[in-house]
Amino acid sequence: RKEVEQDPGPFNVPEGATVAFNCTYSNSASQSFFWYRQDCRKEPKLLMSVYSSGNEDGRFTAQLNRASQYISLLIRDSKLSDSATYLCVVLLNQAGTALIFGKGTTLSVSS
Amino acid sequence: DAGVIQSPRHEVTEMGQEVTLRCKPISGHNSLFWYRQTMMRGLELLIYFNNNVPIDDSGMPEDRFSAKMPNASFSTLKIQPSEPRDSAVYFCASSSDRIGTEAFFGQGTRLTVV
Repeated sequence: RKEVEQDPGPFNVPEGATVAFNCTYSNSASQSFFWYRQDCRKEPKLLMSVYSSGNEDGRFTAQLNRASQYISLLIRDSKLSDSATYLCVVLLNQAGTALIFGKGTTLSVSS
Repeated sequence: DAGVIQSPRHEVTEMGQEVTLRCKPISGHNSLFWYRQTMMRGLELLIYFNNNVPIDDSGMPEDRFSAKMPNASFSTLKIQPSEPRDSAVYFCASSSDRIGTEAFFGQGTRLTVV
């Protein structure tokens, strides 16, 4: 079983749509969670951290369900500029450990 | 800070040749990571260092791959001999030791082995 699994998509949505991505992780000891965004032929960059209580940053909302080992990202009012690959990332809560990435979910927003 | 710096940005080499990829992490960051990205396998962790010491190299594909971090400001990933299946984008990333902190990626080296 992969450590971090995501639906690869692609998700093709019109501008203004709401879209949700899901991610599951296998290691119950994972303590820190993130969503990274990767544009075509660019490096991954942090989009937002994911907290147990859930967190929101503008049009983006991230949720964590520890019992189900499940993370989600909701994008409201999609923009053309949201087109990218979204990577689910987990980290064991130890200093000096590495981020483990899912393969990513591709989003394409069209006008 | 200039961020994580990788070189070269692009490398085309013939099968059997040695390839060396270079990385300069962000100053003050204690952890350095090498990742490889392909369409089929996504972003795979190859090896990571903490305080210049290799912590986990279980992701290194085989003995043809080696990585070093002689000091806090420099790391190399070497492939010898290179094979066409090594073609990928290789990313270096660094982070501080604070738990849950962000990792910053370099722009990557796009390697093509022909």
